[in-house]
Amino acid sequence: SQQGEEDPQALSIQEGENATMNCSYKTSINNLQWYRQNSGRGLVHLILIRSNEREKHSGRLRVTLDTSKKSSSLLITASRAADTASYFCATEGGSNYKLTFGKGTLLTVNP
Amino acid sequence: DTAVSQTPKYLVTQMGNDKSIKCEQNLGHDTMYWYKQDSKKFLKIMFSYNNKELIINETVPNRFSPKSPDKAHLNLHINSLELGDSAVYFCASSQLGQGYGYTFGSGTRLTVV
Repeated sequence: SQQGEEDPQALSIQEGENATMNCSYKTSINNLQWYRQNSGRGLVHLILIRSNEREKHSGRLRVTLDTSKKSSSLLITASRAADTASYFCATEGGSNYKLTFGKGTLLTVNP
Repeated sequence: DTAVSQTPKYLVTQMGNDKSIKCEQNLGHDTMYWYKQDSKKFLKIMFSYNNKELIINETVPNRFSPKSPDKAHLNLHINSLELGDSAVYFCASSQLGQGYGYTFGSGTRLTVV
């Protein structure tokens, strides 16, 4: 069954602006991951945050995790046209470490 | 070097046929997966093998059968293809429980006509 729900479903911004995507989930997790998928391509792992972490940075990416609210956010700063893609959150949990994906946010960065 | 490679990239076939998709990873990971992405881009896990042992087997029709000859390979065989099987199938690998992300292949777009 689906675990994560991303919000918004679609986001359109201008180059240079920041983009924020949110993810909510339902059950306990080991970690939460964010992936990017360019049109017609495979998924690329961006960043992983463990359940005992609250914030993590990687380049222009900032991820937060609030386990009490079962939610996470992905912030992309100073966006570029090349950031145009679908972004998925995924939660890993259970004894078999199953990775369950949300429906994704389609981000469009206009030049 | 391609980390996770799937073949074929595109597959067009008629209803009722049997087809296979192959996947290989050269990352030394111990776990491999098959995911299905539908037309709305929803990704659903189908199977997972850890060191050739099936550890995740979601509710998929038994026309779908995974096979893992060794931990670097995970193939997907589909019998009696149906129109609803049309989707993009992704193979992925990871080192289970190590807290790292998955590495995905580029996908196989299956079209059943």
